[in-house]
Amino acid sequence: SQQGEEDPQALSIQEGENATMNCSYKTSINNLQWYRQNSGRGLVHLILIRSNEREKHSGRLRVTLDTSKKSSSLLITASRAADTASYFCATDGVGNTPLVFGKGTRLSVIA
Amino acid sequence: EPEVTQTPSHQVTQMGQEVILRCVPISNHLYFYWYRQILGQKVEFLVSFYNNEISEKSEIFDDQFSVERPDGSNFTLKIRSTKLEDSAMYFCASNPDSRASPALHFGNGTRLTVT
Repeated sequence: SQQGEEDPQALSIQEGENATMNCSYKTSINNLQWYRQNSGRGLVHLILIRSNEREKHSGRLRVTLDTSKKSSSLLITASRAADTASYFCATDGVGNTPLVFGKGTRLSVIA
Repeated sequence: EPEVTQTPSHQVTQMGQEVILRCVPISNHLYFYWYRQILGQKVEFLVSFYNNEISEKSEIFDDQFSVERPDGSNFTLKIRSTKLEDSAMYFCASNPDSRASPALHFGNGTRLTVT
């Protein structure tokens, strides 16, 4: 299974601080994606990084990928209370297997 | 922006009853998925569907589950005889081309409560 595992399980920070979440996975991947889930809602795609990329930016989001360590990190800079949500990494393996999600990191941003 | 819609938002059923969860994927999307999330737990893959047939399914997707695309717009998940452990959020997702556009578009889910 290439299931991603996020770390930490929960993170609480003050508004304006940066939030870093990590993801580790087990097998070779095509790409790694990060999703956000507000309480009781569906998942929303944030950013995708392909296996041949090392870093990607989108607004306040920065994602890194280290395929040698089978790990990724999501950095949210200058966090806002509205960033409070659960964040999941998801991977699909070589051969276009379905996306497999980790358990998520619950981020709380305190105003 | 087009979105995936799911109905109902909440379904309560008694153990042993059949339920049908409904989804309308984004209109030009070709790949469809069902995932479930037991409260506070990980999001688990159930099944993927392309070209009117199942392309992948997980161990969870046993004979009690079936999917159907009865017309050009709806995509349904049927649970034939519900069990208590089927209580979860069920999410439908779609994407236009799983290789070129692997990001999934999710609906807001149906909360299934089996009593």
